[in-house]
Amino acid sequence: DSGVTQTPKHLITATGQRVTLRCSPRSGDLSVYWYQQSLDQGLQFLIQYYNGEERAKGNILERFSAQQFPDLHSELNLSSLELGDSALYFCASSPNEGYEQYFGPGTRLTVT
Amino acid sequence: KNQVEQSPQSLIILEGKNCTLQCNYTVSPFSNLRWYKQDTGRGPVSLTIMTFSENTKSNGRYTATLDADTKQSSLHITASQLSDSASYICVVTGIRSGTYKYIFGTGTRLKVLA
Repeated sequence: DSGVTQTPKHLITATGQRVTLRCSPRSGDLSVYWYQQSLDQGLQFLIQYYNGEERAKGNILERFSAQQFPDLHSELNLSSLELGDSALYFCASSPNEGYEQYFGPGTRLTVT
Repeated sequence: KNQVEQSPQSLIILEGKNCTLQCNYTVSPFSNLRWYKQDTGRGPVSLTIMTFSENTKSNGRYTATLDADTKQSSLHITASQLSDSASYICVVTGIRSGTYKYIFGTGTRLKVLA
């Protein structure tokens, strides 16, 4: 158990809908990262927050947005969902930037 | 262009045998290199993390090496076990002007057979 929690574990929704994925980092970790992993694909870095501020952006679509709240938990919002958005979404946290990242168990999103 | 390439893409070995996975990168400036193990459908778990000055780091039966001059790293697994069956991901962190970049390799899928 990495200490990173993600909810929900599974999510099934229809195309065009909007969902919110939630992540609670390890206690004391200030940095939160979001990743997407499609079936049999590598991890794609989406976005990173550090102590509430956006710090790095990867291949995140404009339909996706994220934020980190004062209590350091983070939410990833996915809107106008398409079939291709079906994937595992992982959250990771680290004490500081550039350090070892601890991954959560992931949220499996299925868009039908 | 910042890239991380891993080889082989997949590997099948018999239980008890050793194997070596490769990671070549072009990320610059370099901050650190990490190896992760990812079981199917689960979050990656860190095996090792190495900075520029470190050549070797071990974690049980896993030993990672880093040659910062040639920009190559390897992960050696000794006396493989069935539980080693997983994907192994190499991640290189670059830093420029205080901003970090995280470049992931596509992974090596290892299968250990009894």
